[in-house]
Amino acid sequence: GDSVTQMEGPVTLSEEAFLTINCTYTATGYPSLFWYVQYPGEGLQLLLKATKADDKGSNKGFEATYRKETTSFHLEKGSVQVSDSAVYFCALSDRVRGSTLGRLYFGRGTQLTVWP
Amino acid sequence: GAGVSQSPSNKVTEKGKDVELRCDPISGHTALYWYRQSLGQGLEFLIYFQGNSAPDKSGLPSDRFSAERTGGSVSTLTIQRTQQEDSAVYLCASSWGVGQGTSPLHFGNGTRLTVT
Repeated sequence: GDSVTQMEGPVTLSEEAFLTINCTYTATGYPSLFWYVQYPGEGLQLLLKATKADDKGSNKGFEATYRKETTSFHLEKGSVQVSDSAVYFCALSDRVRGSTLGRLYFGRGTQLTVWP
Repeated sequence: GAGVSQSPSNKVTEKGKDVELRCDPISGHTALYWYRQSLGQGLEFLIYFQGNSAPDKSGLPSDRFSAERTGGSVSTLTIQRTQQEDSAVYLCASSWGVGQGTSPLHFGNGTRLTVT
């Protein structure tokens, strides 16, 4: 079945450090891949997405590349800020025939804390 | 415009009582999803609506859980005879429901349910 495995947290970094949060997936069809972010006290928000192999999603300085050969979608940012402190969720939406349109399979989330 | 609205934001109930959780999706969104977020468990899919019908109820954990959607808009998730393991944050999301699973989901802030 479809699943997402992401790096366990918490991750603690100093401001301007480089961030990587690993995410790998298993899918039966042709998934779209997403990163969602949940800031303290707020709902989940879409951060970025990629819909096919080799696509790169980017937003707010974050990037992730859809790697079919390694079934990965790692999240990276070159220089984190205190305001990036949040929980990050990797997710996939499969496109196999009969799958629920838009149903997301989520990883367990990675808590990121950035110190000034 | 307004985002996805969920009520109540917090609910404390005694074991064995019934609870109703409400979700108002973004106007015009035909697809509606319920997820459950338990501590350390990530997000768990519960049920999906397209319009008023629920093509995928596969995530409902037991027959104590039910959901309905009326007028293609508001949805109610009902948990009967609540148990302590039902304690979680219940998230609602909506989307346009079109495309190959790439229409992003817009999440509400959730209802935090605590069963004592």
